[in-house]
Amino acid sequence: QVQLVESGGGVVQPGRSLRLSCAASGFTFSRSPMHWVRQAPGKGLEWVAVISYDGSNKYYADSVKDRLSISRDNSKNTLYLQMNSLRAEDAAVYYCATTYSSGWYYPFDYWGQGTLVSVSS
Amino acid sequence: DIQMTQSPSSLSASVGDRVTITCRARQGINNYLAWYQQKPGKVPNLLIYAASTLQSGVPSRFSGSGSGTDFTLTISSLQPEDVATYYCQKYNSAPFTFGPGTKVDIK
Repeated sequence: QVQLVESGGGVVQPGRSLRLSCAASGFTFSRSPMHWVRQAPGKGLEWVAVISYDGSNKYYADSVKDRLSISRDNSKNTLYLQMNSLRAEDAAVYYCATTYSSGWYYPFDYWGQGTLVSVSS
Repeated sequence: DIQMTQSPSSLSASVGDRVTITCRARQGINNYLAWYQQKPGKVPNLLIYAASTLQSGVPSRFSGSGSGTDFTLTISSLQPEDVATYYCQKYNSAPFTFGPGTKVDIK
């Protein structure tokens, strides 16, 4: 079955960096677009970024553009989110998600359990 | 970017009631609209895609309708296990924006 397991979350000071990982299994990772979605404590879902199956195309929410960077390593079946210049408003549970189809414009069938990022001095 | 709105932001209804949640896109998105259910402390779960197609395993009391800019999620007979926050999402183009959510609980 499809499994997405995020890791790398923790407490980080404002302005510092963090890299999240999402280990995928149970499906053909190298054919699937991958997304990051975040949820601040007590708040709604916010879509963050998407990367195409081969990493050639990426798109970001305006709120994270230039600070967060999505990437993938298909040889390791792993998705990444490099988070730089972290701000208080980046504190959230970060989920990786993907679609049943290999296409770009599909809903998110599968979600990981999430990893919590806290930003505090 | 296309903004998504939902109404109401919260509602309280009795078991067995019919519940309707509305989602509106600022611009037309054809039927590229999904609904997710997120129970307290849990991961979001896809309920409906393509505006009206029920995801496998989702109870038939859930239904979706709409196209273009206006969409609805209906629970025909509210059950205690339906207590959750419901989000709509557009996926016709990036950004894949979510609505702000509608919190549903039992009266």
